[in-house]
Amino acid sequence: GAVVSQHPSWVICKSGTSVKIECRSLDFQATTMFWYRQFPKQSLMLMATSNEGSKATYEQGVEKDKFLINHASLTLSTLTVTSAHPEDSSFYICSARDQSGSSYNEQFFGPGTRLTVL
Amino acid sequence: DAKTTQPPSMDCAEGRAANLPCNHSTISGNEYVYWYRQIHSQGPQYIIHGLKNNETNEMASLIITEDRKSSTLILPHATLRDTAVYYCIVRVEGNSGGSNYKLTFGKGTLLTVNP
Repeated sequence: GAVVSQHPSWVICKSGTSVKIECRSLDFQATTMFWYRQFPKQSLMLMATSNEGSKATYEQGVEKDKFLINHASLTLSTLTVTSAHPEDSSFYICSARDQSGSSYNEQFFGPGTRLTVL
Repeated sequence: DAKTTQPPSMDCAEGRAANLPCNHSTISGNEYVYWYRQIHSQGPQYIIHGLKNNETNEMASLIITEDRKSSTLILPHATLRDTAVYYCIVRVEGNSGGSNYKLTFGKGTLLTVNP
């Protein structure tokens, strides 16, 4: 199946700093990528849908000015957590939709990024 | 959006078949049933999906009832590495319809495969 990578796999930062997480589709092009957040022992919560070349669509309750999403190419989307605070500590997971070939409409997930804000 | 109901947890003996149920009684005619699993501290992994016919791949089988109100994911020979949270998801159509959709995760079923 298609591969989605995330970088970094984990990050620790101080409160008030910003952190950027990268999501890449390695062997396919993804016009649409998704960002999820998962708190311990909870399910994944969709934060936003990222469309290449256009603004992201955020889910209700997600602050677009705090979670900046950029999807400048067909293989890369970035999530920047601005002015991070301890309550932003979470597991951030991206996914990308492969809209070509036999994997049409299948959504592939990255390995996740563990963010800890001190 | 159709909602799904799954048991919170299940146990299975290694080597035996694991049958994971899912209820989706409000599913619409053009909505698919997807199954993903998440091993601890990893991203979700796609398993299988279907519309109304039973499906089988190298990982699992998906049995969808004729009325499409429920389905069962079958892992034919469970191994310890199959221990994970299994999510049954009904696809949501995006505003533009067609191939646009969002996958909304419920709480899933924690399957524990015991030696």
